[in-house]
Amino acid sequence: KQEVTQIPAALSVPEGENLVLNCSFTDSAIYNLQWFRQDPGKGLTSLLLIQSSQREQTSGRLNASLDKSSGRSTLYIAASQPGDSATYLCALNDYKLSFGAGTTVTVRA
Amino acid sequence: KAGVTQTPRYLIKTRGQQVTLSCSPISGHRSVSWYQQTPGQGLQFLFEYFSETQRNKGNFPGRFSGRQFSNSRSEMNVSTLELGDSALYLCASSLGPAGGENIQYFGAGTRLSVL
Repeated sequence: KQEVTQIPAALSVPEGENLVLNCSFTDSAIYNLQWFRQDPGKGLTSLLLIQSSQREQTSGRLNASLDKSSGRSTLYIAASQPGDSATYLCALNDYKLSFGAGTTVTVRA
Repeated sequence: KAGVTQTPRYLIKTRGQQVTLSCSPISGHRSVSWYQQTPGQGLQFLFEYFSETQRNKGNFPGRFSGRQFSNSRSEMNVSTLELGDSALYLCASSLGPAGGENIQYFGAGTRLSVL
């Protein structure tokens, strides 16, 4: 069974600081990995999809890396803003999404 | 282009009742997956439908069932509701079968409260 872990569970940073969110998984034979954002009481917004053959993916201030050999993915958010406050979830995607528990981020103005 | 639409947004039911939730995928998407989100268990996979066929099913009791129509819209049914079924139910759609290169896009969810 695929285990996905996200540490820390919560993090608070001042505005402007770069965010580093970690995701680790047990099975290196993954298909791809998707990062999501969830605002309180809302659905999930897809941020980035990294295919298993890729090492990283970028979109605007977001950059996600994937290291299958170590079973890790990292989401970097540059120059954080209060609007980045949300829970960030990573999920491994084979026939279903296997989610981590998420990291709740608070960006202080 | 409209996103994934889930209806209703909120539901209150009592134990023993049944409930039907609806999900309309993004136009052109043929796969719909359902997930349950609770504070204790996080996000758990229920099932996936592609082209009206259930492809995969998660580890949930038979009280949870679903179907997909020819227009790709999907419904999920929960019979004999229990208090533990209170959760946010999310559906996701993708162009092709879930997995591989197919990005899954989520709806806003249906919040079910069982009293």
